[in-house]
Amino acid sequence: GAGVSQTPSNKVTEKGKYVELRCDPISGHTALYWYRQSLGQGPEFLIYFQGTGAADDSGLPNDRFFAVRPEGSVSTLKIQRTERGDSAVYLCASSLTVSFTDTQYFGPGTRLTVL
Amino acid sequence: TQLLEQSPQFLSIQEGENLTVYCNSSSVFSSLQWYRQEPGEGPVLLVTVVTGGEVKKLKRLTFQFGDARKDSSLHITAAQPGDTGLYLCAGPSTGANSKLTFGKGITLSVRP
Repeated sequence: GAGVSQTPSNKVTEKGKYVELRCDPISGHTALYWYRQSLGQGPEFLIYFQGTGAADDSGLPNDRFFAVRPEGSVSTLKIQRTERGDSAVYLCASSLTVSFTDTQYFGPGTRLTVL
Repeated sequence: TQLLEQSPQFLSIQEGENLTVYCNSSSVFSSLQWYRQEPGEGPVLLVTVVTGGEVKKLKRLTFQFGDARKDSSLHITAAQPGDTGLYLCAGPSTGANSKLTFGKGITLSVRP
């Protein structure tokens, strides 16, 4: 079956621009997570959704970052006024429920480069 | 803040060798997970250890959770080039089981 997909796979933008990153989770998964992975680091939690609502957004670095999941399926991570420090791989994961016992399945990520 | 420290950071070995890598914390974790990540891909879950002292085997990989649930190890027997990748350990954040805290990872290269 289809796994988690993320588009685009690569995004190059200029400092100050707005970007949107999309995540298509596994069908039927109610939980969706966003992580950011900088070079040489492990993934860092940003936000997770249970259904349509953001259950925990404590990992978002500042108010330039925002994520939505309006219909409880596809999610979009939005970054305003991008900065060079935002360059990283943005990973999305989904799981059947928010229980830790449910495996999180990761997508391949979107590599964001801010020039 | 719960931190997971992984060591060594980099490891390059010859095919057929054995190796052990570590994931340590000063905090107690209710469970720990190990993932493997290949270039251009997301992490893939290998195992979850839950009970202190637990040992789990996945083919040539042996995972152990420390008795005090503050550390874990991964032992690979007779490493193969296909084992090459980034090995990450992760645990649930205190009070928020769905939030994973990851270590920085161990980059393993197995030379044929």
